Amino acid sequence: RKEVEQDPGPFNVPEGATVAFNCTYSNSASQSFFWYRQDCRKEPKLLMSVYSSGNEDGRFTAQLNRASQYISLLIRDSKLSDSATYLCVVGVSGGYNKLIFGAGTRLAVHP
Amino acid sequence: GAGVSQSPSNKVTEKGKDVELRCDPISGHTALYWYRQSLGQGLEFLIYFQGNSAPDKSGLPSDRFSAERTGGSVSTLTIQRTQQEDSAVYLCASSLDSSGGYTFGSGTRLTVV
Repeated sequence: RKEVEQDPGPFNVPEGATVAFNCTYSNSASQSFFWYRQDCRKEPKLLMSVYSSGNEDGRFTAQLNRASQYISLLIRDSKLSDSATYLCVVGVSGGYNKLIFGAGTRLAVHP
Repeated sequence: GAGVSQSPSNKVTEKGKDVELRCDPISGHTALYWYRQSLGQGLEFLIYFQGNSAPDKSGLPSDRFSAERTGGSVSTLTIQRTQQEDSAVYLCASSLDSSGGYTFGSGTRLTVV
């Protein structure tokens, strides 16, 4: 079983749609949680951290459920520029912040 | 520098040859990480450096892979006797310390023919 699992998609949505991505992780000792965005043939870039209380950054809302080991990302009012692959990332303890990446969910926003 | 710099950006090599990939982290970042990403796959952890030492090299796939870091700065990842399955994008990241967020370089796309 992969340590971080995501639906690979693709999610094809029209502009203005609301779309949600889910992710599960297997290591109950995981301590930090993130969503990264990766554009085609580019490096991953941090989108937002995810906190137990839930957090919002503009059109993006992230939620964490530690009991279920489940992370989500909600994008409201999708823009064409949101088209990318969204990587669910979990930090595990072990003396340093080791990040384990999911394989990503691809989003395509069309006009 | 302003960001994490990797070179070369692209490398095509013949099977069986050795290759060296270079990473120049953000100045002052003590932690450095190597990952690789095969086509359509997620990032696979290879090795972590804190300063010049590598406390976690558990992700190196075989003894053909090695890495070093000198002066607490530049790191090189060496792949000996390359195989076609080594073809991937090799990504380097650095962070201010061992607990910090990562900044990635733009990667080296390695193709073994």
